[in-house]
Amino acid sequence: SQQGEEDPQALSIQEGENATMNCSYKTSINNLQWYRQNSGRGLVHLILIRSNEREKHSGRLRVTLDTSKKSSSLLITASRAADTASYFCATDAGAGKSTFGDGTTLTVKP
Amino acid sequence: DTEVTQTPKHLVMGMTNKKSLKCEQHMGHRAMYWYKQKAKKPPELMFVYSYEKLSINESVPSRFSPECPNSSLLNLHLHALQPEDSALYLCASSQVRQGAKGGKAFFGQGTRLTVV
Repeated sequence: SQQGEEDPQALSIQEGENATMNCSYKTSINNLQWYRQNSGRGLVHLILIRSNEREKHSGRLRVTLDTSKKSSSLLITASRAADTASYFCATDAGAGKSTFGDGTTLTVKP
Repeated sequence: DTEVTQTPKHLVMGMTNKKSLKCEQHMGHRAMYWYKQKAKKPPELMFVYSYEKLSINESVPSRFSPECPNSSLLNLHLHALQPEDSALYLCASSQVRQGAKGGKAFFGQGTRLTVV
């Protein structure tokens, strides 16, 4: 079973608005990553946050990590139609593998 | 070169066929992965190779047989598959993970497999 749970499952917003997605996990982790997947294609790595970090920025992306609550959030600011995709969190608990959350499907309307 | 190349992009095979999926990367990564992804679901890890040796097999049925002939190539041999094995098969590579430093994986575009 997947370790991560994401909410919401689906999110629909207007271009220019911000989008926030949340991820919860169950076990201790080394780091947590966020990936984007356009329809039926490969995943693209967006950002990695280590277990000793609380917040990280990359362009329009802001990721937070709360290890006490075992949760992370991904904020996309000033969204664009091209941001329409599925977004997955993936937790790295060691042993060389990542476990993906269920994903959030984001639709940005022009 | 930051690409992971998977071939073929699409594959239709019968339940008695034998076929192979191929994956190639030239980023010097020594960890390579196979994932299976069903529609509207997250990727599920199947196998992990570390330094060309199988390090993780997530209880995958023996009709899936991975092979890592060298540090750049990863194959997935398919035999006697079932219709429920139809899915997107994703290959990925990364640096060998060491605690908090590891994690960033590069994915190929996947092979869309249909078993008839």
